[in-house]
Amino acid sequence: DAGITQSPRHKVTETGTPVTLRCHQTENHRYMYWYRQDPGHGLRLIHYSYGVKDTDKGEVSDGYSVSRSKTEDFLLTLESATSSQTSVYFCAISDSYGTRGYNEQFFGPGTRLTVL
Amino acid sequence: SQQGEEDPQALSIQEGENATMNCSYKTSINNLQWYRQNSGRGLVHLILIRSNEREKHSGRLRVTLDTSKKSSSLLITASRAADTASYFCAQPGTGTGNQFYFGTGTSLTVIP
Repeated sequence: DAGITQSPRHKVTETGTPVTLRCHQTENHRYMYWYRQDPGHGLRLIHYSYGVKDTDKGEVSDGYSVSRSKTEDFLLTLESATSSQTSVYFCAISDSYGTRGYNEQFFGPGTRLTVL
Repeated sequence: SQQGEEDPQALSIQEGENATMNCSYKTSINNLQWYRQNSGRGLVHLILIRSNEREKHSGRLRVTLDTSKKSSSLLITASRAADTASYFCAQPGTGTGNQFYFGTGTSLTVIP
């Protein structure tokens, strides 16, 4: 999985509790992303980062926050988890376009989160 | 939402047959990419086609692009049981984050 790890890989928590998911990369890529994957919805972008301390919202950012204090780490926080946030969460990375004129994304193994 | 759609949602074929899946996207692109996801794993990049290309091949994969219809198709020839996976198209966004917008995916089952 291209030097990307996610932790934890599985988590069960209760409604109202805070949860933090971690994504760690060893590729020194500039861009990092958090997606959630739900049946029938494919992958939906939650937040992304285009550099250390530079983050922005994706299409489903409500209820989530992120932080990136180092190039290699991108944290996703659910301040107060709800059952609707039960999902599989994927982290992805990509590098700048460079001379190829395009980039691609590399994905981590995913975190399965269940909110009871 | 800029999320594209894929058709069919699910496809089941016999080993050795060809599998075709289609993707429709919403905005202008400079390239379109296809990804594969094995069960329980993250997505893996398969192939990219640029906006000035109409067709591209990579091994048993053939991708076509029709920018006038904002659609693309992925053909897997002589399918194998190991091709069983979900397939997603992705279009790059235009923001500062090099973000991608993924389709809803096609679940392919190849029966041995």
